[in-house]
Amino acid sequence: GAGVSQTPSNKVTEKGKYVELRCDPISGHTALYWYRQSLGQGPEFLIYFQGTGAADDSGLPNDRFFAVRPEGSVSTLKIQRTERGDSAVYLCASSSGTGAFNEQFFGPGTRLTVL
Amino acid sequence: AQSVAQPEDQVNVAEGNPLTVKCTYSVSGNPYLFWYVQYPNRGLQFLLKYITGDNLVKGSYGFEAEFNKSQTSFHLKKPSALVSDSALYFCAVRTRYTSGTYKYIFGTGTRLKVLA
Repeated sequence: GAGVSQTPSNKVTEKGKYVELRCDPISGHTALYWYRQSLGQGPEFLIYFQGTGAADDSGLPNDRFFAVRPEGSVSTLKIQRTERGDSAVYLCASSSGTGAFNEQFFGPGTRLTVL
Repeated sequence: AQSVAQPEDQVNVAEGNPLTVKCTYSVSGNPYLFWYVQYPNRGLQFLLKYITGDNLVKGSYGFEAEFNKSQTSFHLKKPSALVSDSALYFCAVRTRYTSGTYKYIFGTGTRLKVLA
């Protein structure tokens, strides 16, 4: 079956530009997570949605970062006024719930490079 | 503070030998522990998890992990390594906040190289 998909796979942008990263979770999965992975590091939590609402956005580094999930399925991570330090792989994951037994299924990631 | 530590950046093992990838954790309350594997240019894949019950957990691709509460460890093991096991391995702990929300904390990863 289809897994989690993320588009684009690579994004190169210039400092100061606006970018949108898209995540298409596994159909029926109610929970969706965004992570950022820098080189040599583990995934760093950004935000998680339960349905349409952001249940926990404590990992967003600052107000330049914003994410939406308007219909409880596809999610978009938006970054305004990008900075070189935003360069990383952005991972999306979904799970069928937030119970302790529900592991996350990860997408392949979007590699963002800010020049 | 909740944290996960993977003390080894890289582990080398000969094919056919047993392997261990180490993970220790620090959480308040009961830990929910996970191992994920990341192959080049692919997303993280779930290997196994410990929620409760038997301390020895068996997972995908012949991997297993042992939960040790007294040592706060959750080491990943495999009796006989394969070259195809070479990848980046992440330990993660899931914490539950009083608000009812959850968060995953990942370790920094251990690169496993299995030598033919």
